[in-house]
Amino acid sequence: EVQVEQSGAEMRKPGESLKISCQVSGNRPTNSWIGWVRQMPGKGLEWMGIVYLRDSETIYSPTFQGRVTISADRSLSAAYLQWSSLRASDTAMYYCAKIHEAGSGRDYFDPWGQGTLVTVSS
Amino acid sequence: DIVMTQSPDSLAVSLGERATVNCKSSQSVLYSSTNKNYLAWYQHKPGQPPKLLIYWASTRESGVPDRFSGSGSGTDFTLTISSLQPEDVAVYYCQQYYRTPYNFGQGTKVEIK
Repeated sequence: EVQVEQSGAEMRKPGESLKISCQVSGNRPTNSWIGWVRQMPGKGLEWMGIVYLRDSETIYSPTFQGRVTISADRSLSAAYLQWSSLRASDTAMYYCAKIHEAGSGRDYFDPWGQGTLVTVSS
Repeated sequence: DIVMTQSPDSLAVSLGERATVNCKSSQSVLYSSTNKNYLAWYQHKPGQPPKLLIYWASTRESGVPDRFSGSGSGTDFTLTISSLQPEDVAVYYCQQYYRTPYNFGQGTKVEIK
């Protein structure tokens, strides 16, 4: 069984950079596809993209392509979500989650991390 | 992209009554080679991460109460809570995992009347 644990809440000013993490542990973690989901205040869930921990292959939602960078470090069994220049509109809860079994018709998210709250304010 | 549209946006149901949430996809999510619909339902409560309830449109995740059921095929799907309990107050999301981006519906808030 695989578990995912996210880094803690962050506060930044507009224009600053940020990288948040998602640590994967358990059975064969580097065989995992990890995804990121945004939830803006009072809004719904938005699928941002996924990364394969073994080779860092990445698939982005067109909505988020170019706005964020999703990456992985196989040696650390970790996935990352990164911004080079934050905006106030990036304020949101960000969840990471594992694709249950990629490519087997079980590409839903399970399990989920606890979420990382990112606040961007001057 | 496949667009997922849920209805209604919110509903209020009396305790013990049935709650029904609908989800429509802009394209079929029925995978012909497996004859399975690549559609999941999640429950999301404040302060918690989303929880998987149902996958393949109608397969209940282990540990999920049997008052939750999913149905539908192709482009039209339904999540039914047969007898609403206080702990079922939450926002419910459908998600297609047929083709990336694996988009979610906008969510349906279920409350007690």
